[in-house]
Amino acid sequence: GAVVSQHPSRVICKSGTSVKIECRSLDFQATTMFWYRQFPKQSLMLMATSNEGSKATYEQGVEKDKFLINHASLTLSTLTVTSAHPEDSSFYICSAVQGTNQPQHFGDGTRLSIL
Amino acid sequence: KQEVTQIPAALSVPEGENLVLNCSFTDSAIYNLQWFRQDPGKGLTSLLLIQSSQREQTSGRLNASLDKSSGRSTLYIAASQPGDSATYLCAVPYNNNDMRFGAGTRLTVKP
Repeated sequence: GAVVSQHPSRVICKSGTSVKIECRSLDFQATTMFWYRQFPKQSLMLMATSNEGSKATYEQGVEKDKFLINHASLTLSTLTVTSAHPEDSSFYICSAVQGTNQPQHFGDGTRLSIL
Repeated sequence: KQEVTQIPAALSVPEGENLVLNCSFTDSAIYNLQWFRQDPGKGLTSLLLIQSSQREQTSGRLNASLDKSSGRSTLYIAASQPGDSATYLCAVPYNNNDMRFGAGTRLTVKP
């Protein structure tokens, strides 16, 4: 089946650090990738939609300069949390889809902790 | 705007019980609905995907039903086991591939 690899699985770093999270589709070409954020005991909230070769579309309230998304190829999207602060601590999950109206395949998530 | 609601928010049952988790959505114009399992601190595991033309899907002890007209889906778990303890999320597509998730039901199955 379709596999999405997300790396790293866990990051702990100091406030002010920029953190990059990678999302790779291993056995299919992902025309679209999604980035979600999940706070404890809450559901996933979409942050942005990323299409290969174009700028990401951000949801209302998500700062595009804070959360930089790059989707340079059909198998890789990256999310960079710039100058991270403790309030950015959360669980970040990516998903990838091939084509339209197809199921999304999710990565295992990245636990980001900013000290 | 699509809103997804899951009831109950938490459920605790003894091992062996059959149980039902509920999901409702406000916009019935969906082309599928998906149920996921999430273990603490982990990503999502897809359990069942029901296409809009289907009424139900079964996988092992799991059975998911879909009633588009009423905006409801249920996940039935038969003969629950402690290993079933997790958070169960339902999700529906929204705006070209985007998905809207419910807040989940945290299930605890006691040995």
